[in-house]
Amino acid sequence: GQNIDQPTEMTATEGAIVQINCTYQTSGFNGLFWYQQHAGEAPTFLSYNVLDGLEEKGRFSSFLSRSKGYSYLLLKELQMKDSATYLCAERDSNYQLIWGAGTKLIIKP
Amino acid sequence: DAMVIQNPRYQVTQFGKPVTLSCSQTLNHNVMYWYQQKSSQAPKLLFHYYDKDFNNEADTPDNFQSRRPNTSFCFLDIRSPGLGDAAMYLCATSRVTGTGDNEQYFGPGTRLTVT
Repeated sequence: GQNIDQPTEMTATEGAIVQINCTYQTSGFNGLFWYQQHAGEAPTFLSYNVLDGLEEKGRFSSFLSRSKGYSYLLLKELQMKDSATYLCAERDSNYQLIWGAGTKLIIKP
Repeated sequence: DAMVIQNPRYQVTQFGKPVTLSCSQTLNHNVMYWYQQKSSQAPKLLFHYYDKDFNNEADTPDNFQSRRPNTSFCFLDIRSPGLGDAAMYLCATSRVTGTGDNEQYFGPGTRLTVT
């Protein structure tokens, strides 16, 4: 099977920057997604990378290195509402998503 | 607004009593998914429909069934819920065309409690 690894929990300060890393197995890779999930709610799409490099979307950016099987989500100017679980998901050659267990991000004032 | 709708948002059922969860979409997406998500865990894919083609994950228990009568609707039937089936059930859709990101759009989920 394919494993998605990401830290279980991270803590950061309001206004700061945080980077959430994700590693995946490269066999059958067909894209890398990041989703945000607030407690008790459904995941919402944040970003998609299929080529190497950085994709920027406002305060959020996502990076991919296919040769290393590595991605990160960068959150800038952190706000309290950014407290959530961030899910990394790899899409395989069958267009199915293989999900990580998520990184719970705690923002402190 | 185009969206994915799940009903009910909260469902309580008794041990062993069949229950049906529903999902509808106005996005006209060709693929619909059912996921089970337990607390602090990743969503677990149960099955998906690619148009009318049903695809069951190998480890999805027989207790879980699904129906997709048309493009817009998809149902999850749990024939004999056990205590271990208490979870959030997420419906998602996507338009898979072979190009582009084909992101999955999630409904708000149905939280199932089994008593």
